[in-house]
Amino acid sequence: GQQLNQSPQSMFIQEGEDVSMNCTSSSIFNTWLWYKQDPGEGPVLLIALYKAGELTSNGRLTAQFGITRKDSFLNISASIPSDVGIYFCAGQGGSEKLVFGKGTKLTVNP
Amino acid sequence: KAGVTQTPRYLIKTRGQQVTLSCSPISGHRSVSWYQQTPGQGLQFLFEYFSETQRNKGNFPGRFSGRQFSNSRSEMNVSTLELGDSALYLCASSPDRGTGYTFGSGTRLTVV
Repeated sequence: GQQLNQSPQSMFIQEGEDVSMNCTSSSIFNTWLWYKQDPGEGPVLLIALYKAGELTSNGRLTAQFGITRKDSFLNISASIPSDVGIYFCAGQGGSEKLVFGKGTKLTVNP
Repeated sequence: KAGVTQTPRYLIKTRGQQVTLSCSPISGHRSVSWYQQTPGQGLQFLFEYFSETQRNKGNFPGRFSGRQFSNSRSEMNVSTLELGDSALYLCASSPDRGTGYTFGSGTRLTVV
């Protein structure tokens, strides 16, 4: 089945640093989504990308839909303690099914 | 605007029992999807319903089933529970295919 390779698995950074994570796939996707999940809660949508090459920002977050449609990255600038959590990428092909990466666990040291 | 509501939040069941989980989507959303989240496998797609019809199904055994009602509320059922079914079950709704999936907080199922 389809799989997404998300990296890194975890990151430990200092408050104020920038963060970058990415996802790659062997399959082409029509949509890339980035979610953040806090403990005990469901994933919350951060950014949705619908077109190859698209670069979208949401506050300090920036994400891009790769030209090949097989990859995407998420950048967080000037990290703050509340950025702590697990970040997931998700790809959507021709059906409604979302294929998720394994997540990047972010720890921000104040 | 109320979000996606899942009930119950926590559930403990014994092996061999069955369980029913409920999901109320955002008002106006007609698509409801279910996902299983475990530490080992991550988030795995179970199935998706739209206007009371199952449109897509993941690679789970037939013990996992679901349905959607005319008011778009959805239920999923797991029969003959196994220890490995312990997981966070998440429901997501969207207005239509491929747009704006909003997740609920999930139901934490523990099978003992």
